[in-house]
Amino acid sequence: AQSVSQHNHHVILSEAASLELGCNYSYGGTVNLFWYVQYPGQHLQLLLKYFSGDPLVKGIKGFEAEFIKSKFSFNLRKPSVQWSDTAEYFCAVSLTSGTYKYIFGTGTRLKVLA
Amino acid sequence: NAGVMQNPRHLVRRRGQEARLRCSPMKGHSHVYWYRQLPEEGLKFMVYLQKENIIDESGMPKERFSAEFPKEGPSILRIQQVVRGDSAAYFCASSPVAGGRSDTQYFGPGTRLTVL
Repeated sequence: AQSVSQHNHHVILSEAASLELGCNYSYGGTVNLFWYVQYPGQHLQLLLKYFSGDPLVKGIKGFEAEFIKSKFSFNLRKPSVQWSDTAEYFCAVSLTSGTYKYIFGTGTRLKVLA
Repeated sequence: NAGVMQNPRHLVRRRGQEARLRCSPMKGHSHVYWYRQLPEEGLKFMVYLQKENIIDESGMPKERFSAEFPKEGPSILRIQQVVRGDSAAYFCASSPVAGGRSDTQYFGPGTRLTVL
């Protein structure tokens, strides 16, 4: 069965530190890849997505992610975090054939200290 | 363009009662997905519907849960005879297409169900 792994469940950083959140998926076929963010008390918002083409994807709020097909990874990065980035981050995968449901990782809770 | 709407935002039920959660997709979206988020866990797919059709219900519990997306009106997720383990946040998402390059799901604010 397809699955998505986010290895860091809780991350604490100081403002201006660099961020990298890991995401790996298990599926041998073609996938679409997404990162969503959930700020406290709010619903999920799309940060960025990858369908095809340039494996380095830039999203909103200074986030980017790199798709490395050989490693089945889609890690999220930000060079300098802010206190307002405190949130939960979810990686998700959807298959490009058959059912199009999203498979989510368990999420990473990021806390940025001011 | 209004986003995905869900109501109620918070729902409290006693064990054995029915819970009815509503989702209005974004305008022009004909694909609706329901996900459940249990405490300290990620979102788990429940069901995927198009107008008047259930396409994939592989994530739905076999009993007490049902979903519909009628020709007119919102999608409904119905939980009969709720138990404490049903307490969770239920998110609805919609998309204009499924799969392919335009496959992006837009999420509603969720309904937080508490079963006493």
